[in-house]
Amino acid sequence: GAGVSQSPRYKVAKRGQDVALRCDPISGHVSLFWYQQALGQGPEFLTYFQNEAQLDKSGLPSDRFFAERPEGSVSTLKIQRTQQEDSAVYLCASSLEQANDEQYFGPGTRLTVT
Amino acid sequence: AQKVTQAQTEISVVEKEDVTLDCVYETRDTTYYLFWYKQPPSGELVFLIRRNSFDEQNEISGRYSWNFQKSTSSFNFTITASQVVDSAVYFCALSEPYNAGNNRKLIWGLGTSLAVNP
Repeated sequence: GAGVSQSPRYKVAKRGQDVALRCDPISGHVSLFWYQQALGQGPEFLTYFQNEAQLDKSGLPSDRFFAERPEGSVSTLKIQRTQQEDSAVYLCASSLEQANDEQYFGPGTRLTVT
Repeated sequence: AQKVTQAQTEISVVEKEDVTLDCVYETRDTTYYLFWYKQPPSGELVFLIRRNSFDEQNEISGRYSWNFQKSTSSFNFTITASQVVDSAVYFCALSEPYNAGNNRKLIWGLGTSLAVNP
C-alpha cells in the first residue's frame, strides 16, 4: 500500500520567502508528526496532530512556523519569511492510532534557504 | 529529563562481521517505549523495532537482535554477519507513554553511522 508521501522533495527558497511543505499520511492513520532534521543530527520534534487537532506544537522554533491538518488527513507545514537556519530536512510521520505505535516516515523535504 | 545517547558516531566494519550499536537512555518514567529506526542514504526513516519497558526479553529478527537491559538503561542493537545493504544511520529513540499526559513525541539519539565495506 501507499506509504507517507511528501512534496516537494526539494525546495530552494530565497531568504524571506514563504514556503509550504505538504504531507500525505498513510490512509486511516490518526496521528501525524512533523520533525526537523539538520545535517548529521537526529530528528527534532516540531508538532503533532491527532486527526485535525494540533495537540502539541511545542517544538515549533518560532512563530514563523505554522502547521495545519484541517480535515484530519493531509497536513501542511508553512514557514514564513524563511531564514538560513531553517535549512534542513523536514520529515513527516504518521502512526495508526495508539500511543507509541510505530511511526511511518515519509522521504522528507529538503529545504535550502539561500 | 528524557535523553537518548548513542555514543558511537561512526562505525566501519567489513562485510560479514558482527556489529553492535549502543543505545543508553534516561527517563524518570517507569513506563516507556524504545525504538530503533534505520535511515539509509535515500533518507527515509525505516522502523525496525519497538520495545515496551515492561518487556525485557531480547528479540531476534533474522540477522538483527536487540538486547534490552533496564538495569543499565540500555537497548543495544546487533547486526550479525553484516552486509553492504546494512550501511545506514541507525537511530535509537525513546517515547513516553500517552497516559503520562505527554504527546507521544519521540526523543532521538544523534544516530550511529554504520558503513559496511565489501
